[in-house]
Amino acid sequence: DVKVTQSSRYLVKRTGEKVFLECVQDMDHENMFWYRQDPGLGLRLIYFSYDVKMKEKGDIPEGYSVSREKKERFSLILESASTNQTSMYLCASSLPGTALGYTFGSGTRLTVV
Amino acid sequence: AQSVTQLDSQVPVFEEAPVELRCNYSSSVSVYLFWYVQYPNQGLQLLLKYLSGSTLVKGINGFEAEFNKSQTSFHLRKPSVHISDTAEYFCAVTEPGYSTLTFGKGTMLLVSP
Repeated sequence: DVKVTQSSRYLVKRTGEKVFLECVQDMDHENMFWYRQDPGLGLRLIYFSYDVKMKEKGDIPEGYSVSREKKERFSLILESASTNQTSMYLCASSLPGTALGYTFGSGTRLTVV
Repeated sequence: AQSVTQLDSQVPVFEEAPVELRCNYSSSVSVYLFWYVQYPNQGLQLLLKYLSGSTLVKGINGFEAEFNKSQTSFHLRKPSVHISDTAEYFCAVTEPGYSTLTFGKGTMLLVSP
């Protein structure tokens, strides 16, 4: 069974901390994505990557960065966590193009206190 | 730019009743359309997709959707819902050659006995 695995289901961090959210896929997908999900706002794209060491900003990249050193791993970094970054974070992967849709991980619920 | 409007944030329905979840999109060119389902505390799972061809698309768990180009709609239907269908449903759009999906804000389907 193909998988996208997010390393933590729940995280609690303090304001100002540097936070790493990790995502690993075992499908040899080229594309990987980070979305945040908030009630009433749906899914909003933070960053995506279409190849190792390549990244593109999504709709809401402010306050975030990403790293993709290996094809299977895509990390989301909150440089200095703030309370307005409390959210559900969803990782996804896909083959090139979007005709087959995405495969999503189970999500990481991050609370910044 | 693409956008998706899910007209209802919440749809309450009784078990075994039919349901329709509405989705409208805006795009000036050909599109790919998707419906995803999110069960509580889980990631998103693909229900069905429209790429081309027949405008009536059948998906998993008895769901189907109809692509209507003139009305720019892609409504999701099920003739008889179960308690287990209680979940949040997301419509998404993209265009051939794009790398990312644009999601709607979601519709919460609440099925009661």
